[in-house]
Amino acid sequence: QLQLQESGPGLVKTSETLSLTCTVSGGSISSTDYSWGWIRQPPGKGLEWIGNINHRGDTFYSLSLKSRITISVDTSRSQVSLNLNSVTATDTAVYYCARWSDSLGSFDPWGQGTLVTVSS
Amino acid sequence: DIQMTQSPSSVSASVGDRVTITCRASQDISTWLLWYQQKPGKAPNLLIFLASHLQSGVPSRFSGSGSGTDFTLTISSLQPEDFAIYYCQQAKSFPLTFGGGTKVEIK
Repeated sequence: QLQLQESGPGLVKTSETLSLTCTVSGGSISSTDYSWGWIRQPPGKGLEWIGNINHRGDTFYSLSLKSRITISVDTSRSQVSLNLNSVTATDTAVYYCARWSDSLGSFDPWGQGTLVTVSS
Repeated sequence: DIQMTQSPSSVSASVGDRVTITCRASQDISTWLLWYQQKPGKAPNLLIFLASHLQSGVPSRFSGSGSGTDFTLTISSLQPEDFAIYYCQQAKSFPLTFGGGTKVEIK
């Protein structure tokens, strides 16, 4: 059974870079049938898509975050990474990684999420 | 961007009630519409893909319908474990977008 686990610092200082890793287990990160995505959820608010990366390394980013984000895949470690630079308090959120099915257009499964707080 | 608008934002219902949530897209998305359920402190869970297809393991009291711009999620007989927040999401094109969510509360 495929499992995803997010990891990274729970606290990031304002203006610095938020770096998270999603480790994939129980399945191949290199499958051509799937891509990988990041989604975030500010406390008490709704879901916001951040971006996706497919097996070719093509990336698709939120327009509002595009200038600050980088998503990459390390197949040797079965990890998907998210870097978000120049963070502010508005980037405080639970960050989720999830597998994206291109054929079904759906995120499933999701990681449990990790809370990142941005503070000076 | 394709905007997704859910209504209502919250609904109070009793166990056994039929509950319907709607989601409207700002442009035609065919059937590229997903529904997720999220419980407190948990990640969202996929309920329905391609507007009307039930994800494996999801109870049959959940159903989805619609195409184009208007979609509905129906819970035929609300159970205690169904009290949660429900989100729709369009998968027609990037950037992917979610609806604002509908909270199903106990009446």
